[in-house]
Amino acid sequence: KAGVTQTPRYLIKTRGQQVTLSCSPISGHRSVSWYQQTPGQGLQFLFEYFSETQRNKGNFPGRFSGRQFSNSRSEMNVSTLELGDSALYLCASSSPVDKQDPNEQFFGPGTRLTVL
Amino acid sequence: AQTVTQSQPEMSVQEAETVTLSCTYDTSESDYYLFWYKQPPSRQMILVIRQEAYKQQNATENRFSVNFQKAAKSFSLKISDSQLGDAAMYFCASGTYKYIFGTGTRLKVLA
Repeated sequence: KAGVTQTPRYLIKTRGQQVTLSCSPISGHRSVSWYQQTPGQGLQFLFEYFSETQRNKGNFPGRFSGRQFSNSRSEMNVSTLELGDSALYLCASSSPVDKQDPNEQFFGPGTRLTVL
Repeated sequence: AQTVTQSQPEMSVQEAETVTLSCTYDTSESDYYLFWYKQPPSRQMILVIRQEAYKQQNATENRFSVNFQKAAKSFSLKISDSQLGDAAMYFCASGTYKYIFGTGTRLKVLA
C-alpha cells in the first residue's frame, strides 16, 4: 500500500504570495491532518479533515485554510505569505473507526516551504 | 490546554546500551492515546510505539518499551540495545484526532 504523498516537496515563495500544498492520504484513510514544523515552535497542529469536513482546528490565523476532496485528498492554502511561514508542512492520514481505535497517524515526507 | 513536555533536549547513549527518554503530558480528555515518533534526518516521521490511555499494560515493540504512569501523566520511552540507526529526534505526542507534540529529544548513539 502506498504511503502518504505530499507535493511539492520543496517550494520557494516571496512575501505576500499565496501557496497551495497537496496531500494524498493512504488509500482508504478518511482523516487528514496538517502540521507545521519549525525550529522555534516545533510541531504544531493546523487542522484535521474527515470526510470533507474540518473536524479540528489549531490556533493559526485565517490565512491558513484547507479543504478535503471526496477522494480524501487534501489541500492546504496559505495566503499573504510571511517570512515566519517558512517551515516544514507535514500531512498525516489515519483511518479511525471509533474511539477505541488507536488512530495511528501516518505521516508524509513533508513540504519544505521557504518564504523570501 | 493540552501540553506535552520533553525536558531532555538531547541525550547520548553508547551503542548496545539502554536509554530512557522522558515525557510528561497534561490533557483534559478522558480517552486519549500517547505516541512516540522518531524523525531521522530525512524528516520522515515514523511511529515507534503507541499506548492507549485506557490500557494499564505498558506497550512494547521489540527493543522499544514505555513506562506509562497515568496518574503521574508520565510516558517515558526506553530503548534497549541501542543501535546507530536509532539516532534521531524523538517526539512524544498525545491526543486522539489532534496530536499535541513535545519539543523533541535529540538522541545520539555513540559507537
